[in-house]
Amino acid sequence: DTEVTQTPKHLVMGMTNKKSLKCEQHMGHRAMYWYKQKAKKPPELMFVYSYEKLSINESVPSRFSPECPNSSLLNLHLHALQPEDSALYLCASSTPSPLYNEQFFGPGTRLTVL
Amino acid sequence: SQQGEEDPQALSIQEGENATMNCSYKTSINNLQWYRQNSGRGLVHLILIRSNEREKHSGRLRVTLDTSKKSSSLLITASRAADTASYFCALPSTGGFKTIFGAGTRLFVKA
Repeated sequence: DTEVTQTPKHLVMGMTNKKSLKCEQHMGHRAMYWYKQKAKKPPELMFVYSYEKLSINESVPSRFSPECPNSSLLNLHLHALQPEDSALYLCASSTPSPLYNEQFFGPGTRLTVL
Repeated sequence: SQQGEEDPQALSIQEGENATMNCSYKTSINNLQWYRQNSGRGLVHLILIRSNEREKHSGRLRVTLDTSKKSSSLLITASRAADTASYFCALPSTGGFKTIFGAGTRLFVKA
């Protein structure tokens, strides 16, 4: 199974809501990533987990809170977001090789913040 | 800091023609990757080329790497309408795990 799944596909939330994005993979990958992608722009790295521990936080605002409960799951908790946070949120996974990390991406969650 | 510059930004060709897109970078790398993204979807890994490789093939794709010029190219031969997508080069950044994506080339293949 070489698939990364993400739920939900679409999410609309108000600035006071709390919601979560979920990502799951069953490839045995021990590195998992969250990216944010605005329209017509490349993906921008937000967080990296390696062996279920946070390895990289790209100075992401605290209204985004990642969680890796086990080696197959990755969550992104959202709270008090701003309209400019509207974007496509992509999850990816790879083997835990810092250098040769072919990443497998999920289809993304399209987030709209009203 | 590492950054991939891609050109052209956009490319429109007829089905059957070849498409070439280029990626240049600033600092030495161990490898370079190419990804494809269909509109509004996740990225799909195409090829990883290591710094000691000059050329790599995968089906209709050919990737070259010139470390002396700090540049790479992706050639898609005999293009199809289904190749319409954005193509990104991706470079490793120092510190491990961090991948920097170039701005991308938007390819449109007309049937």
